[in-house]
Amino acid sequence: AQKITQTQPGMFVQEKEAVTLDCTYDTSDQSYGLFWYKQPSSGEMIFLIYQGSYDEQNATEGRYSLNFQKARKSANLVISASQLGDSAMYFCAMRGSSGSARQLTFGSGTQLTVLP
Amino acid sequence: NAGVTQTPKFRILKIGQSMTLQCAQDMNHNYMYWYRQDPGMGLKLIYYSVGAGITDKGEVPNGYNVSRSTTEDFPLRLELAAPSQTSVYFCASSLPLSGELFFGEGSRLTVL
Repeated sequence: AQKITQTQPGMFVQEKEAVTLDCTYDTSDQSYGLFWYKQPSSGEMIFLIYQGSYDEQNATEGRYSLNFQKARKSANLVISASQLGDSAMYFCAMRGSSGSARQLTFGSGTQLTVLP
Repeated sequence: NAGVTQTPKFRILKIGQSMTLQCAQDMNHNYMYWYRQDPGMGLKLIYYSVGAGITDKGEVPNGYNVSRSTTEDFPLRLELAAPSQTSVYFCASSLPLSGELFFGEGSRLTVL
């Protein structure tokens, strides 16, 4: 069974600073994908970034980058130059390639608060 | 640009009643999912489907049933509603493996 662990229930960051949200995973699949989603207080789920297990480069999308360390099974999200609008819950998720691993499994989330 | 459409957005049920949450997507995605999210918690997978006619249980399937007769639709049936099923329900769809998960807006269900 695959598992996602987010060990930071809450994080605070000063506006304009960078912040790293931790995510570790466990899977027996060789081919898998890692995702980060943002959920603001309004409740919708917003896709941020994707990393494939065979991708050699770390994924980047604007101010978001994914620090992928395959040997350590970690997929941390880095947000550069934090903005007040970044305050939200952030979820790490993964999907494997075979059988029941094709389900997308979510971590418990990290509540990020950006301080002015 | 409909994407994933869930209905209803809000519903109050009495204990023991049944209902169906509807989910439809117009992106021709093979994979569809139902999650529930309790207050302050992450998303737990109820059921998922990798194509029409194929469904499988997730982490918390008890008290729910699904069907997938077409690629577009993936309804979730609640039988004999219980207070423990009070939650926000999200339907989502994607292409396989690398596909981003597209979420519906959520359905807030309260069982009293």
